[in-house]
Amino acid sequence: EAGVAQSPRYKIIEKRQSVAFWCNPISGHATLYWYQQILGQGPKLLIQFQNNGVVDDSQLPKDRFSAERLKGVDSTLKIQPAKLEDSAVYLCASSLGPGATTGELFFGEGSRLTVL
Amino acid sequence: AQSVTQPDIHITVSEGASLELRCNYSYGATPYLFWYVQSPGQGLQLLLKYFSGDTLVQGIKGFEAEFKRSQSSFNLRKPSVHWSDAAEYFCAVGAGENSTLTFGKGTMLLVSP
Repeated sequence: EAGVAQSPRYKIIEKRQSVAFWCNPISGHATLYWYQQILGQGPKLLIQFQNNGVVDDSQLPKDRFSAERLKGVDSTLKIQPAKLEDSAVYLCASSLGPGATTGELFFGEGSRLTVL
Repeated sequence: AQSVTQPDIHITVSEGASLELRCNYSYGATPYLFWYVQSPGQGLQLLLKYFSGDTLVQGIKGFEAEFKRSQSSFNLRKPSVHWSDAAEYFCAVGAGENSTLTFGKGTMLLVSP
């Protein structure tokens, strides 16, 4: 079974530039998550989708971050404009069930962003 | 809101020795508790989880964890560590069914020969 796919694996940009990350969840998984993992910290949830609807985006910095999940499958996370503090690994995860506690989360390998 | 504390940033264990990684949580009701492992350059993988019932739960790769309500703890254990266990370990808590997870800051496990 194919896992969660993410791209690009690595991205280096200058501050104030924009960047986009793509995630393809495991086939059939209705719930998709984007996490931000800053070095030395645990993953922090940015946004959760159930099919193509947003369930929780309370920790998403909406002035610069946006995410969408068109057609309830793939998802993109965009940052515009990027700040130095956005340097992190962006993890995508998916689960079969409607919540992180009722089903196992399957994580992708992450997209490492460096903002100079 | 729920929170998780992993007191140890790094732990070094000799290969073949036993391991215990500490996790303390803060949540008013019975939490949903998880341990995930992250190998270098990889995503997180679920080791085990606790929802209810037997407070000693078995996971993959020979790991187990014990839920102790009186101590608000969910420590991860393994009787004999292998070099391949070197990785970062994250404890996470959920506030209820269908809730999101809050992760701790992680404990980096180093295994010495």
